[in-house]
Amino acid sequence: GENVEQHPSTLSVQEGDSAVIKCTYSDSASNYFPWYKQELGKGPQLIIDIRSNVGEKKDQRIAVTLNKTAKHFSLHITETQPEDSAVYFCAASSKGYQKVTFGTGTKLQVIP
Amino acid sequence: GAVVSQHPSRVICKSGTSVKIECRSLDFQATTMFWYRQFPKQSLMLMATSNEGSKATYEQGVEKDKFLINHASLTLSTLTVTSAHPEDSSFYICSAPPGTSGTDTQYFGPGTRLTVL
Repeated sequence: GENVEQHPSTLSVQEGDSAVIKCTYSDSASNYFPWYKQELGKGPQLIIDIRSNVGEKKDQRIAVTLNKTAKHFSLHITETQPEDSAVYFCAASSKGYQKVTFGTGTKLQVIP
Repeated sequence: GAVVSQHPSRVICKSGTSVKIECRSLDFQATTMFWYRQFPKQSLMLMATSNEGSKATYEQGVEKDKFLINHASLTLSTLTVTSAHPEDSSFYICSAPPGTSGTDTQYFGPGTRLTVL
């Protein structure tokens, strides 16, 4: 089955700086890679996703890159704000299969 | 759009009792819903796949007789934790992909915090 590794487990940045979270996956059949933000005591919220036919996707301060050859994808948050503080999960799944495999999570702390 | 709700948001029960958690897709239909369990400071672990009109599919190591799943309609799936014990205390989260054609985007509910005394 799919295995998703995520690094780092914790990340502290100064407000305004950028944050990068990296993930690798094992199953070459995976072609959908969502990123979720989870605040304490709440369910995960989809913040951005990318499919295998695209190498990069951007939505305001958030961007995701995908390298299918190397089987890794990354989340980039620019101009971080205190409200970006949360746990971020990467995930991978195969189209139509729907079963999502999550990474281990990154706790991001943005220091004002 | 694509809102998933869960009820209750938190529940405290005595050991040995059963607890039912509801997951509803509010503005879309979902033939499939997923149930996850999340322990503190850990990732989400898939427990089972709930299929409308048919039996749920359980992940390895998840007791199907303990975690009963019913997907009676295209907008509602329920998870019943039977004879709950303190080790069942966890954060239970459901998710659903919109549509009936196997789309891959999933939306998550807000979660249910179960505490078994």
